[in-house]
Amino acid sequence: EPEVTQTPSHQVTQMGQEVILRCVPISNHLYFYWYRQILGQKVEFLVSFYNNEISEKSEIFDDQFSVERPDGSNFTLKIRSTKLEDSAMYFCASRAQGGGYTFGSGTRLTVV
Amino acid sequence: AQKVTQAQTEISVVEKEDVTLDCVYETRDTTYYLFWYKQPPSGELVFLIRRNSFDEQNEISGRYSWNFQKSTSSFNFTITASQVVDSAVYFCALSHNQGGKLIFGQGTELSVKP
Repeated sequence: EPEVTQTPSHQVTQMGQEVILRCVPISNHLYFYWYRQILGQKVEFLVSFYNNEISEKSEIFDDQFSVERPDGSNFTLKIRSTKLEDSAMYFCASRAQGGGYTFGSGTRLTVV
Repeated sequence: AQKVTQAQTEISVVEKEDVTLDCVYETRDTTYYLFWYKQPPSGELVFLIRRNSFDEQNEISGRYSWNFQKSTSSFNFTITASQVVDSAVYFCALSHNQGGKLIFGQGTELSVKP
């Protein structure tokens, strides 16, 4: 069964550093998403991406965040200058036209 | 505004008991989709079910069943004869269209003890 692949599974970074979280969506999917889950809390929507542009973003997704689909297969989330409160599990998801979501297994980001 | 409420933060049951996880949602849309996801201790999100607002039929899949009641804006999830492997956090979610952003509830942590 096709999977959404996220790397790395766990990343530790120092406060103020830039971090890039990588995702490989399912190959025929057209819609891509990032969600965040702070430890012990609910899953929160960050951003959706379609046709090479952001289609919707939440208020969490401020100027420190950006997304890119650099090469037609990867979908990345960049955090420019990480803060302690960015520590969370980040989930990538993708879906086909008219299809349901498939989530990756997540990247646990720890900012120290 | 759209909102999902899972009032039960934690539930603890003994193996073989039946357990129902509650989900109440708010939306002004006439077309919407409801979801349940399981998050085991390993952390991934496992899709369980998607239901659209026009289909109020209850669904059963093995030991799992779902009761969708538009009149009370609820989409409850029942596990029959619970097992230790059912221990996880369960999230209910809502989207205003089939591919729109998912709005998650706070989750219910289910602990099934042997």
